[in-house]
Amino acid sequence: AQSVTQLDSQVPVFEEAPVELRCNYSSSVSVYLFWYVQYPNQGLQLLLKYLSGSTLVESINGFEAEFNKSQTSFHLRKPSVHISDTAEYFCAVSDKPGGSYIPTFGRGTSLIVHP
Amino acid sequence: NAGVTQTPKFQVLKTGQSMTLQCAQDMNHEYMSWYRQDPGMGLRLIHYSVGAGITDQGEVPNGYNVSRSTTEDFPLRLLSAAPSQTSVYFCASSYSPTGLNTEAFFGQGTRLTVV
Repeated sequence: AQSVTQLDSQVPVFEEAPVELRCNYSSSVSVYLFWYVQYPNQGLQLLLKYLSGSTLVESINGFEAEFNKSQTSFHLRKPSVHISDTAEYFCAVSDKPGGSYIPTFGRGTSLIVHP
Repeated sequence: NAGVTQTPKFQVLKTGQSMTLQCAQDMNHEYMSWYRQDPGMGLRLIHYSVGAGITDQGEVPNGYNVSRSTTEDFPLRLLSAAPSQTSVYFCASSYSPTGLNTEAFFGQGTRLTVV
């Protein structure tokens, strides 16, 4: 069974500072990896995804994540955060074709950006 | 194209009552799933379906029933509500055989309180 570990439940940071949200997964098969963001009282939105190819993937709002197969990690980074990035971030994994497209989620990391 | 639609958005139940949370998607996705979100626990899978007529249990299925009579709809039934079922419930859909999407799309959630 897959499992996802998000090492930090809460990450406070000042505006314009860099941030890294950590994610490790446990799977014996090839996987798809995702980061979702949840703003207060809303559903989950896809932030970025890794399917194959380049191990570095980027979102349209400046986040990036790097797939590291040897360390089974998919950490999320942003070089300079904004107040509007305050949200809950979830790392998720699902099997590649042949497996299930139902993702397994980590417990989430609350990113709190202070002015 | 509405995506994933959940109703109701809010519900208060008394212990022992039953109810059905509705979920519909218009993306011709084969996979649909129900999660519950609790503080510090992330999203936990309740039940999922890989196609019409096929359902299976997730991590926390007790106290819930599902059916999938059509591709579009995947209702979640609470048989006899308990305070432990107080949570936010999310429906998601994923994977179209004719499309390229691999990620899950989420509804806006149903906030359920059992008193």
